Amino acid sequence: EAGVAQSPRYKIIEKRQSVAFWCNPISGHATLYWYQQILGQGPKLLIQFQNNGVVDDSQLPKDRFSAERLKGVDSTLKIQPAKLEDSAVYLCASSFHSGGSSGANVLTFGAGSRLTVL
Amino acid sequence: AQKITQTQPGMFVQEKEAVTLDCTYDTSDPSYGLFWYKQPSSGEMIFLIYQGSYDQQNATEGRYSLNFQKARKSANLVISASQLGDSAMYFCAMSCGMNSGGYQKVTFGTGTKLQVIP
Repeated sequence: EAGVAQSPRYKIIEKRQSVAFWCNPISGHATLYWYQQILGQGPKLLIQFQNNGVVDDSQLPKDRFSAERLKGVDSTLKIQPAKLEDSAVYLCASSFHSGGSSGANVLTFGAGSRLTVL
Repeated sequence: AQKITQTQPGMFVQEKEAVTLDCTYDTSDPSYGLFWYKQPSSGEMIFLIYQGSYDQQNATEGRYSLNFQKARKSANLVISASQLGDSAMYFCAMSCGMNSGGYQKVTFGTGTKLQVIP
């Protein structure tokens, strides 16, 4: 099966500019996650979708970050305006579902989108 | 709140030797899942092994085994017969709890960088 697709792989922007990342999850995976991974740290969950609804965005800086998952498939994550501290790798992941047994909650990750803010 | 702790920022191991990567967790939920992921320098997170909180046996997947000690709340990863290709970052993760949307949250530790020496 095809994996999780992400684009762009790399993006360099200046602070206060905007950027958008795209993710296409594995077909049939209802749950989609966006994680932020700052260099040397573990991934931090930004937002979690179940189908096209948001189930967790408690750590999303909503004044500058937004995300949507139209039709419960593709997702975009936008940053506007970007700050220097937003430099990170943005990882998209999907799983079959996250409810019920935790055993079904294996995440499959994309290759990530590396953002550098100058 | 759930928490994952990895206390080893970096580890070295001789090729063909075994190595143990430490992970401790904290949750009050009776049902949870523990995962290990590998992140090579290419950046993609690769699922290695899973252990459910009710599983009686320690999980094994090829050269990977998970030493699950429930009373100590530890879930250490053991890699046997290390290979040069095992050099990577390793992340412990836990799926438990319910976010506001009623779905399980996946939390990652800070990672351990493993270097295999020829």
